[in-house]
Amino acid sequence: TQLLEQSPQFLSIQEGENLTVYCNSSSVFSSLQWYRQEPGEGPVLLVTVVTGGEVKKLKRLTFQFGDARKDSSLHITAAQPGDTGLYLCAGGPVNTDKLIFGTGTRLQVFP
Amino acid sequence: DSGVTQTPKHLITATGQRVTLRCSPRSGDLSVYWYQQSLDQGLQFLIQYYNGEERAKGNILERFSAQQFPDLHSELNLSSLELGDSALYFCASSPYSSRGAPGTQYFGPGTRLLVL
Repeated sequence: TQLLEQSPQFLSIQEGENLTVYCNSSSVFSSLQWYRQEPGEGPVLLVTVVTGGEVKKLKRLTFQFGDARKDSSLHITAAQPGDTGLYLCAGGPVNTDKLIFGTGTRLQVFP
Repeated sequence: DSGVTQTPKHLITATGQRVTLRCSPRSGDLSVYWYQQSLDQGLQFLIQYYNGEERAKGNILERFSAQQFPDLHSELNLSSLELGDSALYFCASSPYSSRGAPGTQYFGPGTRLLVL
């Protein structure tokens, strides 16, 4: 069974701080996606990374795919209250188009 | 708004009952995925349909079944409900199914099921 472990599970920080969320697995994935989910809504895709070592930036968010395509990280610079939500990584197993979702990181940013 | 609709939004029922959750994918999307999200287990993939055919199965119980109709909407049937089935059920759609390259999945707002 392919599992994606995210850490930390919960993160509570002040506005302006930086943070990093990790997504780790012992399995290789063909791609890695990051979603954000707000209460009462479905997850919304933030980014997809497909190449080992790939780094993508989305404003204050930086995503990296590990060289071996088994792990990923999400770094947020100068967090804002609007960043509050549940962050989910999701891996695409090789030769399928389904997604395996990580355990989630719940982020709370206080003003 | 993702373009994916799910009904009903909330459902309260009793143990042993059967319910049907409905999902309409985004216009033109052929792939439909069902997920279960509970507090202690995160987002679990249940099943995927592509253009009416089952494409992949995840952790779906035998008491659960799904289908995708010719108009591409999908239904998830949950029977002999147990307390532990209480969860959020999400449907997602995607434009295509390409093995080895999961594309963007667009999620609906979910159906919150409470089994009493």
